[in-house]
Amino acid sequence: GENVEQHPSTLSVQEGDSAVIKCTYSDSASNYFPWYKQELGKGPQLIIDIRSNVGEKKDQRIAVTLNKTAKHFSLHITETQPEDSAVYFCAASNRDTGNQFYFGTGTSLTVIP
Amino acid sequence: DTGVSQNPRHKITKRGQNVTFRCDPISEHNRLYWYRQTLGQGPEFLTYFQNEAQLEKSRLLSDRFSAERPKGSFSTLEIQRTEQGDSAMYLCASSPTYYGYTFGSGTRLTVV
Repeated sequence: GENVEQHPSTLSVQEGDSAVIKCTYSDSASNYFPWYKQELGKGPQLIIDIRSNVGEKKDQRIAVTLNKTAKHFSLHITETQPEDSAVYFCAASNRDTGNQFYFGTGTSLTVIP
Repeated sequence: DTGVSQNPRHKITKRGQNVTFRCDPISEHNRLYWYRQTLGQGPEFLTYFQNEAQLEKSRLLSDRFSAERPKGSFSTLEIQRTEQGDSAMYLCASSPTYYGYTFGSGTRLTVV
């Protein structure tokens, strides 16, 4: 099955700086890559996703890039704010073979005011 | 739209007991998923329903685990003869299409 690795496991940034979280995947057939934000005591919340036919997608302060050749994708958060502090998970899946999402191990982001 | 609702939020049980969790998905979502999340890890897939049909099951779902979704609405996840290794957060999610789940807040199970 698919194996998703995520780095770093913890990340601290000053408010206003950028944060970058990177994930690699093993199955070249994976074609869908969502990112989730999980706050304490809550379930993961979808923040952005990208499909394999697109190299980059942006939504306000959040962007995701995908390099299919290298099998890695990254989350970029610009102008970070204290409310961005949370655990972020990447995931990969192949919609042609099943409905299972394979999640990374998470990155705990702390934005220091 | 009140989101995905899971009950109970917390459950403490003795080893060997049976437990059942309930998930109420967003009403128009025909896809429903169960995941398990242990501390410091990402969610792990357990099973997937489309309407009332259970179409996918993970190898993680041992024969002590059973899930149902009668009438394609709410779903239940039952764990029989609980073990300490079953302690985890059990997450339910629903979606109208393949892309982008909406997760509930989960049921935290502690087996003592």
